[in-house]
Amino acid sequence: DAKTTQPNSMESNEEEPVHLPCNHSTISGTDYIHWYRQLPSQGPEYVIHGLTSNVNNRMASLAIAEDRKSSTLILHRATLRDAAVYYCILYSSLPRAGNNRKLIWGLGTSLAVNP
Amino acid sequence: GAGVSQSPRYKVAKRGQDVALRCDPISGHVSLFWYQQALGQGPEFLTYFQNEAQLDKSGLPSDRFFAERPEGSVSTLKIQRTQQEDSAVYLCASSLGNRGPGGPYEKLFFGSGTQLSVL
Repeated sequence: DAKTTQPNSMESNEEEPVHLPCNHSTISGTDYIHWYRQLPSQGPEYVIHGLTSNVNNRMASLAIAEDRKSSTLILHRATLRDAAVYYCILYSSLPRAGNNRKLIWGLGTSLAVNP
Repeated sequence: GAGVSQSPRYKVAKRGQDVALRCDPISGHVSLFWYQQALGQGPEFLTYFQNEAQLDKSGLPSDRFFAERPEGSVSTLKIQRTQQEDSAVYLCASSLGNRGPGGPYEKLFFGSGTQLSVL
């Protein structure tokens, strides 16, 4: 499975934009890029996902490089509630033996938001 | 219910004791996943169900770990003869469909987890 690389931690100020990078140089053409975040003492929460084109939703935007070897999660105005660990994950759309549906999670980026 | 519910929220077990962790997925969700998360680490896949069928159990660390979903809804993760290295948060997630990862059905909804401490 293709792996992702993220910075261990980042810091932002409240109400400022945050750009969380993710490198996935071995991504294949059938891999989707998913982002989840995990607040303290909670389970992960879906943020956004995409394949090739940039994506926007009410939570964030996802910018995908043209060669798809990297992507950036953009929080347009950080709030204290956005302090969490953010995971960038690749999910293959290819069917595999046993209908393999596992996701490979790394360590993610721990985002601190300063008031 | 509104979300994925897991119980108990916390479990303390003596080494060698058997434990059972319960997951109530969102009603109608076909797919159900169990993950293990050690302190400071990302979640690690344990097993996957599509309705009542366990299609992937490649992540279960040993034969002491067993999961079931007999009626395609509630799932139980059982750990026999617990060891200290089993201490972790056990996360359950469900999703609406069993299609590929690009569609809206594939969004995973996680419970808050069960924190297991083995003494």
